[in-house]
Amino acid sequence: QQQVKQSPQSLIVQKGGISIINCAYENTAFDYFPWYQQFPGKGPALLIAIRPDVSEKKEGRFTISFNKSAKQFSLHIMDSQPGDSATYFCAASLRNQGGKLIFGQGTELSVKP
Amino acid sequence: GAVVSQHPSRVICKSGTSVKIECRSLDFQATTMFWYRQFPKQSLMLMATSNEGSKATYEQGVEKDKFLINHASLTLSTLTVTSAHPEDSSFYICSAEGAGEKLFFGSGTQLSVL
Repeated sequence: QQQVKQSPQSLIVQKGGISIINCAYENTAFDYFPWYQQFPGKGPALLIAIRPDVSEKKEGRFTISFNKSAKQFSLHIMDSQPGDSATYFCAASLRNQGGKLIFGQGTELSVKP
Repeated sequence: GAVVSQHPSRVICKSGTSVKIECRSLDFQATTMFWYRQFPKQSLMLMATSNEGSKATYEQGVEKDKFLINHASLTLSTLTVTSAHPEDSSFYICSAEGAGEKLFFGSGTQLSVL
């Protein structure tokens, strides 16, 4: 019940295309869903996060879509750039335990020029 | 944005020695810090929750006597890997909880035990 399942494991997108990464969760008590970007040898950096009271959140080229009934959420990267090539992790946490994150398995994104 | 500094970024040690990793929140106070472990091409696994002024809370399967955590101030937590062995080689990442439950990560420490 604590798992967060992420797909795909790897993704190749052409420059200018849309990258889509999906996550699903089981525990309905989760109420914070962040996405992190990680470059090799570095710690993860927070990209964008959402709470279950909204269905979509957009920040620049990054959008989270949230489907509470399906217990799924996804990250859309618009106009993908080679500099976006990194590993992306979705995560979830329980109410008032925002720091105790359960991470998805990660998606290695490669944006081709 | 909030900055979390982790030191050292890379350490190589001999089997049987102990290694200390520091995690500092530079521009905010963090009563709670977290330590994660990451193997190559795998996800982050929470090891323990570090609370300022009290004992750390360890996740199931993490040996508290091997991974000593100290959170002596609101800006510093340390992880000491005691009597390190090659199987302890991994990427260790700390994080600190800022305002709004946002979690900020350090840049990680690559530990290699020979």
